[in-house]
Order: sequence, then C-alpha cells, then structure tokens
Amino acid sequence: GAGVSQTPSNKVTEKGKYVELRCDPISGHTALYWYRQSLGQGPEFLIYFQGTGAADDSGLPNDRFFAVRPEGSVSTLKIQRTERGDSAVYLCASSFMTSGSSYNEQFFGPGTRLTVL
Amino acid sequence: EDQVTQSPEALRLQEGESSSLNCSYTVSGLRGLFWYRQDPGKGPEFLFTLYSAGEEKEKERLKATLTKKESFLHITAPKPEDSATYLCAVQGFKAAGNKLTFGGGTRVLVKP
Repeated sequence: GAGVSQTPSNKVTEKGKYVELRCDPISGHTALYWYRQSLGQGPEFLIYFQGTGAADDSGLPNDRFFAVRPEGSVSTLKIQRTERGDSAVYLCASSFMTSGSSYNEQFFGPGTRLTVL
Repeated sequence: EDQVTQSPEALRLQEGESSSLNCSYTVSGLRGLFWYRQDPGKGPEFLFTLYSAGEEKEKERLKATLTKKESFLHITAPKPEDSATYLCAVQGFKAAGNKLTFGGGTRVLVKP
C-alpha cells in the first residue's frame, strides 16, 4: 500500500488483559514512531525506531509498554496488564531518513483506537 | 523541554471568512516546525514543514508562516471542507530520536 497501515482499527479489551497493536510503515522508510493521542489532545511521543533498534523509548509511560521491530519494517506495540487509563488512539508514523538529513516529514497511519473496559 | 501551545482551541468560521491559527513554541534549537491536518477518526495528514524564521509555504487556501517564537496558519476564504483539527509540532535539534512535540490542536469548523 501507499501509506502507513495499522491493525486493528479498533480494539476493546478488559482491564488486566494483554494487547498487541501492529504498524506497517511506508515501504523504504527506515524510521518508525509510535504516538498516543487522548481525546481532544495532540499526539504524544512514545518510542522511535531507526531500523530494528529502539533509538529512543523515553516516551513509554511505564514497563507495561514495549515495542519491537524485528526486521526493520513492521512494528508491534505491546501493552501488558492494560489499565483504563491506557484507553486512547495509538498512532504510528514513518519517515525516510538518510545520514545527515536535515528534515524528515513523518507520515501517520489511521491509528488504533484502544478501549480498556 | 520542547513545548507547543496552540490557540484558539476552537474556531467557528463562516464560509469565506478568513482567519489565522497561532502556534507558539519553545525549543532548544529548531530543526523544523510541522503543520498537520487531522479529520475525525483519522491520523494526522502532513501539510507543511518550516525550517527558519521568515519562511512561508502555501497550499491552496492555507499559508503557513514562521517567526522565532511562533507560527501562523492562515486560512483564506475557507470552505466547509477545510473543517478539521489543525496540529502544530516542533522538532528540536536536542530532541533525541527526531520525535515531534505537538500542541493541543485547533478545531476549525467552517459553516456554509
């Protein structure tokens, strides 16, 4: 596909359950980002991958959140022991980065709306 | 820490009534300022990147400008299809990982 895709589009789970959210970036984009957006707010940074490694995970709220990108393309955001406060839209973005690039527009997917009951 | 504040939070316009949205920012060395449009239930859609004070970019009825402390998004003669939330974000040189710091957005409603 031409854009960033995310699955599922909606996920409803119960408090305490484990969830996985998937992101498929634009082909050829080496950088991948996860953001979280609460209702009426702007997106908040969670984690950034350059290739397979997490280059910056400073936005992950606690150790219940974890993300992987094993082959440098698709990424999975994993949330353990979900809490009601985790309810939000989880957005994925990707960008094309080259060494010394002075800019990198991030292109966003449609998001996964997570509801924790 | 990078910070972005957008105003107003919401804006109601009549079709054809031009207006401006404000994005005030503090950043430790600006790498880029980004404007996005977000429709309900969708992800942000990239509009513009601005890099230095004095720079301007245009796209249809939208024009973005940048100073050292703020950016404006001017909407000229808006149409109902311009109704959306407009998000501003900054990327600082000291922000590890090239992350974006977003403002809260301005919700624009253009009535016919």
